[in-house]
Amino acid sequence: SQTIHQWPATLVQPVGSPLSLECTVEGTSNPNLYWYRQAAGRGLQLLFYSVGIGQISSEVPQNLSASRPQDRQFILSSKKLLLSDSGFYLCAWTPAGFEQFFGPGTRLTVL
Amino acid sequence: QQPVQSPQAVILREGEDAVINCSSSKALYSVHWYRQKHGEAPIFLMILLKGGEQKGHDKISASFNEKKQQSSLYLTASQLSYSGTYFCGTEGPNQGGKLIFGQGTELSVKP
Repeated sequence: SQTIHQWPATLVQPVGSPLSLECTVEGTSNPNLYWYRQAAGRGLQLLFYSVGIGQISSEVPQNLSASRPQDRQFILSSKKLLLSDSGFYLCAWTPAGFEQFFGPGTRLTVL
Repeated sequence: QQPVQSPQAVILREGEDAVINCSSSKALYSVHWYRQKHGEAPIFLMILLKGGEQKGHDKISASFNEKKQQSSLYLTASQLSYSGTYFCGTEGPNQGGKLIFGQGTELSVKP
């Protein structure tokens, strides 16, 4: 069966520090992958999505970037974090056009 | 364009029914419904594809009116476990599974 992992589960970082969040999917190949951010008490904002290795589409201009170095690995990065980057980061995958399955999420607090 | 959900919040007694609406200003290919408990990842409930279908399992069902670009989620004989925030995610034509989520509807079921 398919599973999706995210780490770390929680992270506290100072403003201006770099960021790297990782997401991996097991049990499937060539999934569509997504990064979402959810601010406290808010909805899900799509940040990036990828349909294949090295193929990244950005939905919101910001100081974040994403990469997909392997088929089932999706990485969210930043060179310098802002206070506004705080939130709950969710990775999701879909077998192309069907329901999205979410990972457990990373709770990021930028101080 | 973000779909609009209504109501924003609803409080029910166990056994009561509720309807959550999701409305889009753009043509839709599919509508996805998710439930999120506080601090957890969203859980997939159901997907409805264009063609005006209706789906359901157990006491949760949904309809999709493609012409009106609207979907509704019906919860009947609500249980305490139904509490959470419900999100609709809409997908336009040729979007390859990319969803735009509504702002969420917070549902509280009281004993």
